[in-house]
Amino acid sequence: GQSLEQPSEVTAVEGAIVQINCTYQTSGFYGLSWYQQHDGGAPTFLSYNALDGLEETGRFSSFLSRSDSYGYLLLQELQMKDSASYFCAVRPRRDAGNNRKLIWGLGTSLAVNP
Amino acid sequence: DAGVIQSPRHEVTEMGQEVTLRCKPISGHNSLFWYRQTMMRGLELLIYFNNNVPIDDSGMPEDRFSAKMPNASFSTLKIQPSEPRDSAVYFCASSKIRQDPYNEQFFGPGTRLTVL
Repeated sequence: GQSLEQPSEVTAVEGAIVQINCTYQTSGFYGLSWYQQHDGGAPTFLSYNALDGLEETGRFSSFLSRSDSYGYLLLQELQMKDSASYFCAVRPRRDAGNNRKLIWGLGTSLAVNP
Repeated sequence: DAGVIQSPRHEVTEMGQEVTLRCKPISGHNSLFWYRQTMMRGLELLIYFNNNVPIDDSGMPEDRFSAKMPNASFSTLKIQPSEPRDSAVYFCASSKIRQDPYNEQFFGPGTRLTVL
């Protein structure tokens, strides 16, 4: 089967750094993505790692290691507005051609406290 | 540019009634996705279309659910008859088949469905 595992909840304080891990069990995939969703809102795209290594976008960074079947989202200088759910997602390689289907983790609820 | 548009934003109906959810994807996007989100099961892909053609409907729960995409700018998800367990937030998302970044999908605001 194919699955993505994330912690269900993470708590941190303003100004801190937090890492949200995503481990996966799938035979192959096209990159690892991260999405953010605020309460009552829609998921919004944050980042995409096509290759192993670190991708940085402002305060957010994302990392992928295919050999370890592992990735993470790193949030620095946390702000209250970062309180949200964070989802990792992959597109399975097993489906050829123009398959756009994503497999999603169940999400990590991040609470940023003052 | 307008994002993905969904209607209605909220729907409250009684068990057994027909429910129709509507979606207008971003202009120029040729992939469209219907998702359902609940606390228990998270975000589930129900069905998706490429160029108006259904590609994968393996996530559609049962025959009570149906989806259509008659043209590139409109899609519907219909539940008939509705049941209380269908209560959830339904999201529509769109992207380009040759999207860059590759896994980026653009979500609409969602329809919060409550079946009494």
